[in-house]
Amino acid sequence: EPEVTQTPSHQVTQMGQEVILRCVPISNHLYFYWYRQILGQKVEFLVSFYNNEISEKSEIFDDQFSVERPDGSNFTLKIRSTKLEDSAMYFCASSAETMGNQPQHFGDGTRLSIL
Amino acid sequence: AQKITQTQPGMFVQEKEAVTLDCTYDTSDPSYGLFWYKQPSSGEMIFLIYQGSYDQQNATEGRYSLNFQKARKSANLVISASQLGDSAMYFCAMREGRFGNNDMRFGAGTRLTVKP
Repeated sequence: EPEVTQTPSHQVTQMGQEVILRCVPISNHLYFYWYRQILGQKVEFLVSFYNNEISEKSEIFDDQFSVERPDGSNFTLKIRSTKLEDSAMYFCASSAETMGNQPQHFGDGTRLSIL
Repeated sequence: AQKITQTQPGMFVQEKEAVTLDCTYDTSDPSYGLFWYKQPSSGEMIFLIYQGSYDQQNATEGRYSLNFQKARKSANLVISASQLGDSAMYFCAMREGRFGNNDMRFGAGTRLTVKP
């Protein structure tokens, strides 16, 4: 069964450094998402992306975050200058469409640790 | 603003018995979808079941069923014949609207422990 893949599985970065989290969505999906989950807390929506542009973003997704689809397969989340509070699990998800019973399929996540 | 509430931080169930995980939601949008995801200790998010706001029947998917009570705005997950492998965090989520509304909002989750 096709799946969303995320790399790396664990990223350790110094505070203030830039980090790029990578995702390969399911190949025929058109909608892409990033979520984050701070340890022990609920999953929070960050941003959705369709047709090469952001379609929605949450209040968490401020100017230090950006997303990109650099080629036909990858979808990346960049954090420009990381802060301690950015430490979390980051999930990429994709869906075939946004309506009806189409679920968002999640990757296994990247655990980001900021030192 | 949409809101998802899961009032049970933790639940225990005996193996082979059924368990109900509660979820209530709040929305003013007449069109919405409700989803349940399972998160094992390994961390991945696994889609379990979906219920649409206009669906006339409760959704079922194998051992999972959704007790959808629209007037009460509740969408409880029922797991029948619990197995040890069902031990995990379970998240209820909602997506509002039919077109173009992409984001899914999650509840705080319920940690289910299945006892042998």
